[in-house]
Amino acid sequence: EAQVTQNPRYLITVTGKKLTVTCSQNMNHEYMSWYRQDPGLGLRQIYYSMNVEVTDKGDVPEGYKVSRKEKRNFPLILESPSPNQTSLYFCASSSSDGYGYTFGSGTRLTVV
Amino acid sequence: AQKITQTQPGMFVQEKEAVTLDCTYDTSDPSYGLFWYKQPSSGEMIFLIYQGSYDQQNATEGRYSLNFQKARKSANLVISASQLGDSAMYFCAMRGDGTTDSWGKLQFGAGTQVVVTP
Repeated sequence: EAQVTQNPRYLITVTGKKLTVTCSQNMNHEYMSWYRQDPGLGLRQIYYSMNVEVTDKGDVPEGYKVSRKEKRNFPLILESPSPNQTSLYFCASSSSDGYGYTFGSGTRLTVV
Repeated sequence: AQKITQTQPGMFVQEKEAVTLDCTYDTSDPSYGLFWYKQPSSGEMIFLIYQGSYDQQNATEGRYSLNFQKARKSANLVISASQLGDSAMYFCAMRGDGTTDSWGKLQFGAGTQVVVTP
């Protein structure tokens, strides 16, 4: 089954404790992205990647890091999480034609 | 810069009635794509419908249709014969085609919460 897999689904952590949210896709898609969703703001892009070793900032990249060492994986790293990063996070992938966007199930992160 | 505006934060609709969700956009790209997604209370993002800026006809997918008015920069979603299972948050999104790296970037509106009542 074609899918984007995010882990974990839920995460509660403390301020300053580094964490990684994993994202993997099995569709051989070139493009992968991370979004955060906050009430009243919709989804905002954090980072995206056009291919292996090629990444770029989205609209809200501060406090986040990403890497794309393999085509299928695109982890999101929070080096020092803060409470304002409490949010619902989505990973998404799309093919090079830009028509098929597939989203992961989401990761609900709470930073206390 | 691209921008998507959804002006209806929430709306109620009666079962079996049609509902129109508004979406306006702003872009300088001559070519772009418009998407609608549904997000039920379980949280996943479900793709509903796509409209390309050069498509001659309005997109339709089952009970979903997209009323695309290019000159007015609007891409309203119409859900016909609403069902209780249509209760969800609905997002309009746009992808620019100005450069290849635009294809990986979806710009979203703030969303419209729809509640379908019996």
